[in-house]
Amino acid sequence: GQNIDQPTEMTATEGAIVQINCTYQTSGFNGLFWYQQHAGEAPTFLSYNVLDGLEEKGRFSSFLSRSKGYSYLLLKELQMKDSASYLCAVTDSDYKLSFGAGTTVTVRA
Amino acid sequence: IAGITQAPTSQILAAGRRMTLRCTQDMRHNAMYWYRQDLGLGLRLIHYSNTAGTTGKGEVPDGYSVSRANTDDFPLTLASAVPSQTSVYFCASSEMSSGGTDTQYFGPGTRLTVL
Repeated sequence: GQNIDQPTEMTATEGAIVQINCTYQTSGFNGLFWYQQHAGEAPTFLSYNVLDGLEEKGRFSSFLSRSKGYSYLLLKELQMKDSASYLCAVTDSDYKLSFGAGTTVTVRA
Repeated sequence: IAGITQAPTSQILAAGRRMTLRCTQDMRHNAMYWYRQDLGLGLRLIHYSNTAGTTGKGEVPDGYSVSRANTDDFPLTLASAVPSQTSVYFCASSEMSSGGTDTQYFGPGTRLTVL
């Protein structure tokens, strides 16, 4: 089966940086996704990593180490609107997505 | 462009009743998926379809069935609902083209309560 772990909750101050870690053990690997999900809404795509290294997209960056089964999502210059759940998801050998339970980030003024 | 639509938005259902959740996409994506999301468990795949006319079972398929008669529609049916099927259901689609990242895009969800 698939095993994807991420912290349940994180709290940070507006303007700060938060790093959400994700570790995974899956049958095969064809890429790792990060999604953002605001309360009561659908998940929306943030980033995709398939090779080792850092992908930067504005205030958000995502890192992958395939040998360690590890990724992180870095949120910089936090804004109140960044308060949401962040979902780590891994594509397995059959190209199916397996999701972690999500990390709820609360941004405080 | 609507993307993916789901209906109904929410529903309260008596146990034992039959229910079909509807999902339609206008992006001409090949693949479609049904997930359920429960607190503390994350999104779990129920059924999927890689192309019109084909379907497959996901992680939690029991009690659910799907069909894919055309590219756009992917209904999910609960033949005889049980309280453990109380959840938020998300439909998703992806292009499923070779060599692409195959990002999945999600509908707004259906909140289902089975009493």
